[in-house]
Amino acid sequence: ETGVTQTPRHLVMGMTNKKSLKCEQHLGHNAMYWYKQSAKKPLELMFVYSLEERVENNSVPSRFSPECPNSSHLFLHLHTLQPEDSALYLCASSQGSGSTNTEAFFGQGTRLTVV
Amino acid sequence: KNQVEQSPQSLIILEGKNCTLQCNYTVSPFSNLRWYKQDTGRGPVSLTIMTFSENTKSNGRYTATLDADTKQSSLHITASQLSDSASYICVVTSGYSTLTFGKGTMLLVSP
Repeated sequence: ETGVTQTPRHLVMGMTNKKSLKCEQHLGHNAMYWYKQSAKKPLELMFVYSLEERVENNSVPSRFSPECPNSSHLFLHLHTLQPEDSALYLCASSQGSGSTNTEAFFGQGTRLTVV
Repeated sequence: KNQVEQSPQSLIILEGKNCTLQCNYTVSPFSNLRWYKQDTGRGPVSLTIMTFSENTKSNGRYTATLDADTKQSSLHITASQLSDSASYICVVTSGYSTLTFGKGTMLLVSP
């Protein structure tokens, strides 16, 4: 148990559906991240929130919409996704996104399948 | 462009044997290098972190090395166990705090 909890663990959605992924951390960290892990590809950073403000957005399509209501919770809202968006979505948290020795603690991920 | 290359892509070894995983990087400026272990269907968990001045660091049966001159790192696993079966990911942090992930090495330890 890393202290970062993601729900749901598995999600199957149609291309016209709207769904949300949830991440909660119990570590008192002030930075949270969304990563995408496609099959046989490295982890791709999607969004970074530091002190509840979005500080990084790596050219992610607008069909992915993040929300960080407080330092413990992070959401990823999904709408009109494509089959190629099927992947493992990982949430992580850390204490201070600017420190170069910061360790990211990952949740167990949400396995998303778009049909 | 910052890149992290890992080899081999996959590896099968017998329980009790040793193995070494490789990581080459071109990240600049370099800040630190981490090895993560990712069990199937779970998030990565950090094994070791190495900074510029460190050559070797151990965590139980895991020993990481770093050669900052050649920009190479290795992860050596001693006396492998079935629970070592996982993906091992090399992650390099730049001086600007950006993370570059390798594709990982999939290790299977068979009985």
